[in-house]
Amino acid sequence: GAVVSQHPSRVICKSGTSVKIECRSLDFQATTMFWYRQFPKQSLMLMATSNEGSKATYEQGVEKDKFLINHASLTLSTLTVTSAHPEDSSFYICSARKSGGETQYFGPGTRLLVL
Amino acid sequence: GEDVEQSLFLSVREGDSSVINCTYTDSSSTYLYWYKQEPGAGLQLLTYIFSNMDMKQDQRLTVLLNKKDKHLSLRIADTQTGDSAIYFCAESSQNNDMRFGAGTRLTVKP
Repeated sequence: GAVVSQHPSRVICKSGTSVKIECRSLDFQATTMFWYRQFPKQSLMLMATSNEGSKATYEQGVEKDKFLINHASLTLSTLTVTSAHPEDSSFYICSARKSGGETQYFGPGTRLLVL
Repeated sequence: GEDVEQSLFLSVREGDSSVINCTYTDSSSTYLYWYKQEPGAGLQLLTYIFSNMDMKQDQRLTVLLNKKDKHLSLRIADTQTGDSAIYFCAESSQNNDMRFGAGTRLTVKP
């Protein structure tokens, strides 16, 4: 159990377009989902914490109007990168925490390339 | 802020044991984790240990925790080439925020 999927796994888009990334917990309910960004050869950086039914909490320095997060159900959170630019190219990873649990289960990641 | 630190590289020969070390600074850490990241993939949870434990063993993996020194280690017995990956140490505290180390790149030579 505890499988988290992300879609798409890879996306290439033109500068100025918006990209939506989905994160789903397949076999459990997740009241909290997290969005991370990983820069090359670096560790994960937490971008925001997404709680079902409420507004996401963004980490300092992360623009909430640029990285829109929606957590509409207990199994789905979406991250939309609005007006993407080449510097937004990165590996985006989501994780989900089971309701009442502490361990985070990670998705496979989405590689975004903005041309 | 609170930090999690790991050495960046480790190279071992196939069949040897690997020991990856991690130190952290948050004394309120409740869980400590080891994640594995293969090239181009997301993180895979390998194992975790609650902060009131000092050892956990799972097949070839042994986790040792020295809470006094805030030192965590992951030992992989009989290391195989398929174990080559980046291993991330992470900790979470009572507020459930998670902090990761920079990752240790393990290279297994045949």
